[in-house]
Amino acid sequence: DAGVIQSPRHEVTEMGQEVTLRCKPISGHDYLFWYRQTMMRGLELLIYFNNNVPIDDSGMPEDRFSAKMPNASFSTLKIQPSEPRDSAVYFCASSRLANEQFFGPGTRLTVL
Amino acid sequence: AQSVSQHNHHVILSEAASLELGCNYSYGGTVNLFWYVQYPGQHLQLLLKYFSGDPLVKGIKGFEAEFIKSKFSFNLRKPSVQWSDTAEYFCAVSYGGSQGNLIFGKGTKLSVKP
Repeated sequence: DAGVIQSPRHEVTEMGQEVTLRCKPISGHDYLFWYRQTMMRGLELLIYFNNNVPIDDSGMPEDRFSAKMPNASFSTLKIQPSEPRDSAVYFCASSRLANEQFFGPGTRLTVL
Repeated sequence: AQSVSQHNHHVILSEAASLELGCNYSYGGTVNLFWYVQYPGQHLQLLLKYFSGDPLVKGIKGFEAEFIKSKFSFNLRKPSVQWSDTAEYFCAVSYGGSQGNLIFGKGTKLSVKP
């Protein structure tokens, strides 16, 4: 299995632009998680899905952030408009039932 | 609220020293416990996990952890660290009714001096 796939690996954009991060979970996994990691705040859970349905989005910082999971093999995290304080590494992870989560390589986002 | 505490923010050791990283979780009934490691510039990888059975769990790279239910603890240990163990270590807990969500601790950065 290829593991969790994220794209792009690096994204540099200017303040105000829309950013879309993509994730393909491991086949057969029914949970998908989006995390954000910064030096200041550490690892934060933004949102997670079960069987493509959002279960808990209480970690989404504000309305500029949105996430979708249109099918079992694809999810997006969108930031519109982006701000410099959104600069972070965004990780996607997937799991089957309540077992361990498998993390993707992350997307390093820089907003100028 | 359910929470996970990691006592040390940054630990600095010399090679061959023994390691113990603390992790405590808040009470919440049945738990599954995990330790993840994040090497510099990489993503989180599973070191070991505890679901049930023997409370002493052995993981990869010589790491082990002990689940002490009475203390709500799951401390990570390694008898002799190597420079390559330099990384950040995260403890995580899933609670029985959490629908698959993991609660992560804030992480402990380990620096091993050669």
